[in-house]
Amino acid sequence: QSLLTQPPSASGTPGQRVIISCSGSSSNIGSNTANWYQQVPGAAPKLLIYTDNQRPSGVPDRFSGSKSGTSASLAISGLHSDDEADYYCATWDASLNGPVFGGGTKLTV
Amino acid sequence: QVQLRESGPGLVKPSETLSLTCTVSRGSISSHYWSWIRQPPGKGLEWIGYVYYSGTSNYNPSLESRVTISLDTPKNQFSLKLSYVTAADTAVYYCASADYYDSGDYHLLYFQHWGQGTLVTVSS
Repeated sequence: QSLLTQPPSASGTPGQRVIISCSGSSSNIGSNTANWYQQVPGAAPKLLIYTDNQRPSGVPDRFSGSKSGTSASLAISGLHSDDEADYYCATWDASLNGPVFGGGTKLTV
Repeated sequence: QVQLRESGPGLVKPSETLSLTCTVSRGSISSHYWSWIRQPPGKGLEWIGYVYYSGTSNYNPSLESRVTISLDTPKNQFSLKLSYVTAADTAVYYCASADYYDSGDYHLLYFQHWGQGTLVTVSS
């Protein structure tokens, strides 16, 4: 059982907007910055969003992150078929004294 | 940009020690936090630990008694040793570089570059 809770699945049709949630607590998301990773089948995870809402170079602005209280969200607008992947939220957890990942959300387009 | 590649045995016997090496290219090991993360087949990601070039290390408490992560600066490599493995340690193991900032009030850590991953199976 992860310290960060994500819905196991999400879905949308091409062009739609999808939001994936990540629920934590005061010892993790509530007091630290959140990150998101995208993992397409058979590949390594890729950093998608860092420090709550920053995009690394090369990540399209269709991807955006936000945080409020003890929850973080990843929004994907203008869905593409190649957005089909697993998405993981992550942050620092004080009780672990290290980074923790959510259980992952499988996005179907 | 930084590139990482894992290497090591793909099969380890129960109770033995899993040993992996990550070779860093297009970047210096004298910066960033060098990390190992694993993913059991069909499951999510689990942070194993990291080491900083200064020698500072931090491990997941659930694995701390069995894990050592160390640097080989001249070779631009870092390694993972996990002792007394069981079938539960079967996973794809990733090495990654992390950016980390501790402001005192909050921690900022994200894994910016990842290796391709290597599957390690624990079986007799």
